[in-house]
Amino acid sequence: ELKVEQNPLFLSMQEGKNYTIYCNYSTTSDRLYWYRQDPGKSLESLFVLLSNGAVKQEGRLMASLDTKARLSTLHITAAVHDLSATYFCAVDWVSGSRLTFGEGTQLTVNP
Amino acid sequence: EPEVTQTPSHQVTQMGQEVILRCVPISNHLYFYWYRQILGQKVEFLVSFYNNEISEKSEIFDDQFSVERPDGSNFTLKIRSTKLEDSAMYFCASSEGNQPQHFGDGTRLSIL
Repeated sequence: ELKVEQNPLFLSMQEGKNYTIYCNYSTTSDRLYWYRQDPGKSLESLFVLLSNGAVKQEGRLMASLDTKARLSTLHITAAVHDLSATYFCAVDWVSGSRLTFGEGTQLTVNP
Repeated sequence: EPEVTQTPSHQVTQMGQEVILRCVPISNHLYFYWYRQILGQKVEFLVSFYNNEISEKSEIFDDQFSVERPDGSNFTLKIRSTKLEDSAMYFCASSEGNQPQHFGDGTRLSIL
């Protein structure tokens, strides 16, 4: 059974600081996704990482994938309040297969 | 930008009743999915649907659940004889395959 673990589960940080969220998964896959969820809302796709060494950046967020270590990171640079949300990583096997989600990291950025 | 549309946004039902949750996936997508999220927990896979049949289902998706694509646009999840523990947010998603799954806004199901 594929397991996906994120840490930390809760992250409170100050505006302007940097931090990294980690996502580990248990079996070989080179397909990893990051989603953002605001309270009571849907899941918004942030990044798609489909190969070892993939790095994607959008604004203050940067995601990377190391398939050998079965690890993805989501790095936050100079956090702002608008980034407050829950961030999920998710893994699938092949095109069209189910997504297995991590538990989510609830990020709160304080002024 | 095309969206996945779900109705209703909130459904309140008495325990033991049947509910049907409706989804309109993005029109050129081929893969359809249902997930659920119990309040405060992670998102769990229920079922995937491709080429007019179930392609994969989880252990949660037992005989109480069924899915249907009754026409070219709708994708439905039916839950028979609902239980209190079925209360959750249910998300529909669709994808072209080698692209991220796009999620609808969800249906909040409350079982009383």
